[in-house]
Amino acid sequence: EVQLVESGGGLVQPGESLRLSCAASGFTFSSYWMNWVRQAPGKGLEWVATIKQDGSEKYYVDSVKGRFTISRDNAKNSLYLQMNSLRAEDTAVYYCTRGWLYWGQGSLVSVSS
Amino acid sequence: QAVVTQEPSLTVSPGGTVTLTCDSSTGAVTSSHYPYWFQQKPGQAPRTLIYDTNTKHSWTPARFSGSLLGGKTALTLSGAQPEDEAEYYCSLSYSGARVFGGGTKLTVL
Repeated sequence: EVQLVESGGGLVQPGESLRLSCAASGFTFSSYWMNWVRQAPGKGLEWVATIKQDGSEKYYVDSVKGRFTISRDNAKNSLYLQMNSLRAEDTAVYYCTRGWLYWGQGSLVSVSS
Repeated sequence: QAVVTQEPSLTVSPGGTVTLTCDSSTGAVTSSHYPYWFQQKPGQAPRTLIYDTNTKHSWTPARFSGSLLGGKTALTLSGAQPEDEAEYYCSLSYSGARVFGGGTKLTVL
């Protein structure tokens, strides 16, 4: 059974950093593109970042370029999202996805002073 | 960046048929956009219903189908059930980036 479990969310102040993790199990992690998607409170889904199986290709939505970094550790079956210079508008539930077929339950990130 | 547009809300009667559509600001939607459809119920994570235009996930009920329709991609629900009331999101691929539509709130009433 495919499982994706996000962690690392919390409340931070504007300008601070946070690192999200996604622990994957039930499939060969190194064989799949992985993504982060976020959803602000009461709003729709927004794609954030994508990483290729070996990490050689990464893509970001314009609003996070230069601030967020997606990475993965295939030996640990883990996906990460390093978020720096956080802003109030980054407040959202962050989901990791395996390709676009499987979703985790999400981790809430709140940015507020 | 491209904008993907969906109907904000639709209502369908139980047992009825409804079609949700998804449009791209860059032109006609094609299979090369790898259209996806996702369902999200309140308090839950999204789940994938349809991928690559018309392929159903293992858990997708047969009453859901995907297609290309008049330059858009479409999700058709035939024989709506009360449990189908949810928010539905489409998503299109643009050269490495993926853009979501704003979602359609489907009411079964």
